Amino acid sequence: EIVMTHSPATLSVSPGERATLSCRASQSISNDLAWYQQKPGQAPRLLIYGASTRATGIPARFTGSGSGTEFTLTISSLQSEDLAVYYCQHYHNWPPWTFGQGTKVEFK
Amino acid sequence: QLQLQESGPGLVKPSETLSLSCSVSGGSINRSRFYWGWVRQPPGRGLEWIASIYYNGPPYYNPSLESRVTISVDTSDNNFSLNLSSVTAADTAVYYCARHFDYFEYWGQGALVTVSS
Repeated sequence: EIVMTHSPATLSVSPGERATLSCRASQSISNDLAWYQQKPGQAPRLLIYGASTRATGIPARFTGSGSGTEFTLTISSLQSEDLAVYYCQHYHNWPPWTFGQGTKVEFK
Repeated sequence: QLQLQESGPGLVKPSETLSLSCSVSGGSINRSRFYWGWVRQPPGRGLEWIASIYYNGPPYYNPSLESRVTISVDTSDNNFSLNLSSVTAADTAVYYCARHFDYFEYWGQGALVTVSS
């Protein structure tokens, strides 16, 4: 089973500043990676797939990058509506499909 | 627009079977190349994939739950279901149904299931 690990667990960023979230896979997954945003009481929302392709309707301030085992989600200018938990998920050699434990983004 | 809606008991007794259904609207289960799956989230914790099924293919199960899980599709009612047997308090979670192929694009709103006597 491929294990996905986020860092940090919590990220504190000032409003309007850049937020950089990391996700590491326990083995190479090419670019078979998705990112999700989850706000309290809501279902996860797909942000990025293919490591770098934004899903429909996702603002351009969200950028995904990386391949192999190291991936990054960048929020270029953090807005209040971006405060949430972010999860990565691989879809390489499934099943199982596995998620990371998440990074919580909060205002500093 | 595709919509998914979970339904089922919100409270299940320990050792009993948790049963949930996911109603799909805005698209047909059996005209799709996608998988239909379940993901759960214990309170305050992360996401765990449980099981998925293609409308006319074999099911896939999380190895950690495989001995207790069954997923099925009802194409006539355009829904799919999850059964989880011998539940314990550790199975208390919000259960989401979702449509996916590789990544999970459409999600239900989630159903909280509490395991307690």
